[in-house]
Amino acid sequence: DTEVTQTPKHLVMGMTNKKSLKCEQHMGHRAMYWYKQKAKKPPELMFVYSYEKLSINESVPSRFSPECPNSSLLNLHLHALQPEDSALYLCASSQVAITNTGELFFGEGSRLTVL
Amino acid sequence: GENVEQHPSTLSVQEGDSAVIKCTYSDSASNYFPWYKQELGKRPQLIIDIRSNVGEKKDQRIAVTLNKTAKHFSLHITETQPEDSAVYFCAASRSGNEKLTFGTGTRLTIIP
Repeated sequence: DTEVTQTPKHLVMGMTNKKSLKCEQHMGHRAMYWYKQKAKKPPELMFVYSYEKLSINESVPSRFSPECPNSSLLNLHLHALQPEDSALYLCASSQVAITNTGELFFGEGSRLTVL
Repeated sequence: GENVEQHPSTLSVQEGDSAVIKCTYSDSASNYFPWYKQELGKRPQLIIDIRSNVGEKKDQRIAVTLNKTAKHFSLHITETQPEDSAVYFCAASRSGNEKLTFGTGTRLTIIP
């Protein structure tokens, strides 16, 4: 299994809603990532979990709250989002640090629309 | 932090011709340089990568070259095919760092 699975594929939410994005991998990877991608832009790193501990937070607003319940799962909890947060949210995983082992495996993404 | 610039932003190439995409990076400590391909509506996928102890790497129609002194690296696609049409992102990272800094992307269109 070389897949990173994300749910839901599409999400529409109001600015007062609370929702969560979920990501799962069963490749035994110990690093998991959340990226945000706007149209026609590169993926922008938000968070990195390494061995289930948060290792990088790219100064992301607190309305985005990551959680890594175990080595296979990564969640992104959303609360009080703004319309400008509408984007494709990509989850990714790698064996350990990227430069040690190479490839980032991306999921298909969750397309979020904030009304 | 690392800054990666990528050119051109769009590239149209006749089928069968070659395509070249160039990137420059700012952090001399960066030592890992992958290229990702993202087809419309799909996930980014690694197509080739190179480490700083190597000057060139080839995989069938795709090659990457790295010039550490000048801090630039390039993607070369030969005998282009319609399925090569996509957005290509270069990226850079340094040892022990989980952060991958992406370039701004190149939209490659192969004209049949």
